[in-house]
Amino acid sequence: DGGITQSPKYLFRKEGQNVTLSCEQNLNHDAMYWYRQDPGQGLRLIYYSQIVNDFQKGDIAEGYSVSREKKESFPLTVTSAQKNPTAFYLCASRNTGYGYTFGSGTRLTVV
Amino acid sequence: AQSVAQPEDQVNVAEGNPLTVKCTYSVSGNPYLFWYVQYPNRGLQFLLKYITGDNLVKGSYGFEAEFNKSQTSFHLKKPSALVSDSALYFCAVRRGNTGTASKLTFGTGTRLQVTL
Repeated sequence: DGGITQSPKYLFRKEGQNVTLSCEQNLNHDAMYWYRQDPGQGLRLIYYSQIVNDFQKGDIAEGYSVSREKKESFPLTVTSAQKNPTAFYLCASRNTGYGYTFGSGTRLTVV
Repeated sequence: AQSVAQPEDQVNVAEGNPLTVKCTYSVSGNPYLFWYVQYPNRGLQFLLKYITGDNLVKGSYGFEAEFNKSQTSFHLKKPSALVSDSALYFCAVRRGNTGTASKLTFGTGTRLQVTL
């Protein structure tokens, strides 16, 4: 089945530690996106990539970094500069069609 | 800039009754409008979209939505609610006819609670 796989499902980060969230898709989609979801705030765009080796900052990129070395993969690194990283992170992809396909999410908690 | 407003944090309805989840939007040019549903600790699932054509759009699980250009609204409806419809619903908009360049903007979500 085609789809988007996010891993891990749950992730715990210590203060000052960088962590990387994985997002892989086998849909042959060009564009990929990372969103952060907090209660009552909906989804906020962190980074997005329209093609391989290119990506742009979204609305809340500070403290995050990404790479897009392969079409299938768009990992997100949450750096120690992100002061409030506890949230639910969602990856999505889109081809030239209209809507997004979402992964099942990663819940990151700072301990 | 584009934006979406979902004025109700929560909607409560009894099973078997009709439901409406409200959404208004702001975008330049032609809007592409979407509804997604999210179950606990899961990603978003696509329900339906409006791109062009008939203002009444039918989607998955018996849901439908009506595009109203003059009121800039795209309310989600279902004639008869089920307990299993209880979830978090998101409305989203993007500017049309821009290929992959434009991005979706989401509302803050409305929690639907259907009770027996």
